[in-house]
Amino acid sequence: DGGITQSPKYLFRKEGQNVTLSCEQNLNHDAMYWYRQDPGQGLRLIYYSQIVNDFQKGDIAEGYSVSREKKESFPLTVTSAQKNPTAFYLCASRGGTNYGYTFGSGTRLTVV
Amino acid sequence: GQNIDQPTEMTATEGAIVQINCTYQTSGFNGLFWYQQHAGEAPTFLSYNVLDGLEEKGRFSSFLSRSKGYSYLLLKELQMKDSASYLCAVRDLNSGYSTLTFGKGTMLLVSP
Repeated sequence: DGGITQSPKYLFRKEGQNVTLSCEQNLNHDAMYWYRQDPGQGLRLIYYSQIVNDFQKGDIAEGYSVSREKKESFPLTVTSAQKNPTAFYLCASRGGTNYGYTFGSGTRLTVV
Repeated sequence: GQNIDQPTEMTATEGAIVQINCTYQTSGFNGLFWYQQHAGEAPTFLSYNVLDGLEEKGRFSSFLSRSKGYSYLLLKELQMKDSASYLCAVRDLNSGYSTLTFGKGTMLLVSP
């Protein structure tokens, strides 16, 4: 079955460390997205990519970086410059009849 | 920019009907989505509206008025499993790229 896989499900990071969240899809979708979700804040767009080797900043890109070397993969790096990284991170890809989003199961990142 | 408003919380009784409203302000409107999200899980697609009117899908219906910047999600014959957060999202065509902007979500609690 096609879908989006995010790993790990839970991630703990020490202050000052970079950490990379994985997102892989086998839906053959061109566009992929990273959102951050905080309590009471809804989903906020971090980065998105329409095609391989191209990506754009979303509303809250500071302290994050991405790459899109393969169509299937869109990893997100949370750098030490991100001052408040504890959140639930959701990856999505776009395709299908209405070009809606399919979401991965999310990664919950906690800074310890 | 975009502004999407929906109520923070709603309560209803099992078997009842509930309507969750969403108002939005955006340029380049290109569709409105409703997603359901259970705690700690990924959002799942419920409905899509791009033209004015009502879309019905089983117990769930969604309505759109583009001139009023207004949508609602109608849930009938409520079940306990419908307790979840409901996210309204607007698709905007900005510089040729398609992104979704989400409201903060409406937490629905269904009681026996």
